[in-house]
Amino acid sequence: AQSVAQPEDQVNVAEGNPLTVKCTYSVSGNPYLFWYVQYPNRGLQFLLKYITGDNLVKGSYGFEAEFNKSQTSFHLKKPSALVSDSALYFCAVRDDTGGFKTIFGAGTRLFVKA
Amino acid sequence: DTGVSQNPRHKITKRGQNVTFRCDPISEHNRLYWYRQTLGQGPEFLTYFQNEAQLEKSRLLSDRFSAERPKGSFSTLEIQRTEQGDSAMYLCASSLPDRSYEQYFGPGTRLTVT
Repeated sequence: AQSVAQPEDQVNVAEGNPLTVKCTYSVSGNPYLFWYVQYPNRGLQFLLKYITGDNLVKGSYGFEAEFNKSQTSFHLKKPSALVSDSALYFCAVRDDTGGFKTIFGAGTRLFVKA
Repeated sequence: DTGVSQNPRHKITKRGQNVTFRCDPISEHNRLYWYRQTLGQGPEFLTYFQNEAQLEKSRLLSDRFSAERPKGSFSTLEIQRTEQGDSAMYLCASSLPDRSYEQYFGPGTRLTVT
């Protein structure tokens, strides 16, 4: 069965500092991995994906994520956080067996302090 | 691109009543997904359509829930004999056939069952 774990309910960083939001996953086949962001009173927005290829993937708003197969992780990173990055971040996974069922983690709230 | 729209945005109903929600996907998107999100959790997959065909259903979708997409455009999600445990945000998303990993989410319908 597919599952996603986001071990931190909340991450606090100072503006200008690097940020990391952690995600680990479990799938039966090869993973398709995603990050979505949810701003207050707005729908979820796609940030980035890993399907195949380079382990470091770049996405919207300067975010990137690193796929680590041996650690079954897909951590979201940004070199320099902005106050406007404060939001709820969801990691999600799908396997490559042909279905389209996407499993989301519980979310990590990111607070960036000025 | 007007985005995914959902109606109504809020619905308050009494236990035992039936409710129906509507989702209008982005016009060229042939794939449509329904999710349920409760407070403090990520979206939970409910069901998925490719055009008018319902291809996957979660075990979360009890026999009180039914979803349709009769002409392959808008979709409806009906909950019969609502229970307090049905209170949640119901999210709709859509995607292009060759970019199914990038789902565009609507703002959701918040259901409160009293």
